Amino acid sequence: GQNIDQPTEMTATEGAIVQINCTYQTSGFNGLFWYQQHAGEAPTFLSYNVLDGLEEKGRFSSFLSRSKGYSYLLLKELQMKDSASYLCVPLDSNYQLIWGAGTKLIIKP
Amino acid sequence: ETGVTQTPRHLVMGMTNKKSLKCEQHLGHNAMYWYKQSAKKPLELMFVYNFKEQTENNSVPSRFSPECPNSSHLFLHLHTLQPEDSALYLCASSQGTFEAGELFFGEGSRLTVL
Repeated sequence: GQNIDQPTEMTATEGAIVQINCTYQTSGFNGLFWYQQHAGEAPTFLSYNVLDGLEEKGRFSSFLSRSKGYSYLLLKELQMKDSASYLCVPLDSNYQLIWGAGTKLIIKP
Repeated sequence: ETGVTQTPRHLVMGMTNKKSLKCEQHLGHNAMYWYKQSAKKPLELMFVYNFKEQTENNSVPSRFSPECPNSSHLFLHLHTLQPEDSALYLCASSQGTFEAGELFFGEGSRLTVL
């Protein structure tokens, strides 16, 4: 079956760094996406990894290891507006996105 | 206008009503999607259209009926819904179905079925 494993909830402090880990099992693999979703709003695209390694985009970086079925999202210099759910979303061999429940990140002052 | 626009943003309907959700995208994309998001659950893909043709129906009950008259517009017709259909309905678009990962979502239509 297809499966995504992320922590349900994490708490971090404003200005700090947080790493959200994700392990996945899919039928084939065509890349992995990270989306951000604020409560009551639609998801917005953050990053895409298809090859192993780190992709950096401003305060956010995403890492992928295909052999380990593992990815992480690294958020630096946390701001209160970063409080949201973060969704690790692999793309399977049929180009279907596999959505999980995500990680709810709470930022405290 | 830019992006993906959904109307109405909020809808309350009885189980015997008929209503429609509308989605319009101004991104020049060729693929459009309907997703359902129930409280604290992952997104569920309902329908996929590519170049106006339905390419996926994810075992959705017939009380949900999609319509895609052109690549920019997508409708979801609703009739005789059940209270468990109350959810956030999200429309999304992508360049094509092979670019299905980078989705652009509308703000959603929050549906309450009484």
